[in-house]
Amino acid sequence: AQKITQTQPGMFVQEKEAVTLDCTYDTSDPSYGLFWYKQPSSGEMIFLIYQGSYDQQNATEGRYSLNFQKARKSANLVISASQLGDSAMYFCAMREGRETSGSRLTFGEGTQLTVNP
Amino acid sequence: DGGITQSPKYLFRKEGQNVTLSCEQNLNHDAMYWYRQDPGQGLRLIYYSQIVNDFQKGDIAEGYSVSREKKESFPLTVTSAQKNPTAFYLCASSLGLGWSTEAFFGQGTRLTVV
Repeated sequence: AQKITQTQPGMFVQEKEAVTLDCTYDTSDPSYGLFWYKQPSSGEMIFLIYQGSYDQQNATEGRYSLNFQKARKSANLVISASQLGDSAMYFCAMREGRETSGSRLTFGEGTQLTVNP
Repeated sequence: DGGITQSPKYLFRKEGQNVTLSCEQNLNHDAMYWYRQDPGQGLRLIYYSQIVNDFQKGDIAEGYSVSREKKESFPLTVTSAQKNPTAFYLCASSLGLGWSTEAFFGQGTRLTVV
């Protein structure tokens, strides 16, 4: 079963506008972490932001914020004031706390974001 | 500077040959991982290791092998049994084993089998 779902294969946004990238997840474990990574065309994976399942507040890191809705099992990434350099592939990922999962990190299929000038 | 080094960046091999991808980290991380990425797709876990001399299969381990003889090193061998080895391979590491620790990635190795 797919544990991380990103339903938007591609998204377009105008420079300086905000954009939301969707991510839903599936787990029965009460302890889990949600991560967002950015992958530019060079291929490297850049960690952006983290949200823990017990965190009461939404995580923020500069222009990145995470809209965490636990009951809906969604962890959407919001990028404010988009820049041309934000054009990249974005991945949502999850790590569960259960012992059988070990320390594995499971990724979604990704969303290709294009920022237009 | 601390980080994860993957080498080489590009690798070409003939069909039927085994090839080993290198991954070294100087972050003193316990856990290390190998992922495979095909064009336009997400990352799929091949193998991961939580401590030295121990590793577990991920979702697509068939045709691959690993070793973890040193904490800093986690090489991946793509064997001739891997039916479609051409892909982008990413190595990662994380400090601990907990669900709240992020993983740091290397620059990747693009393997092409001809």
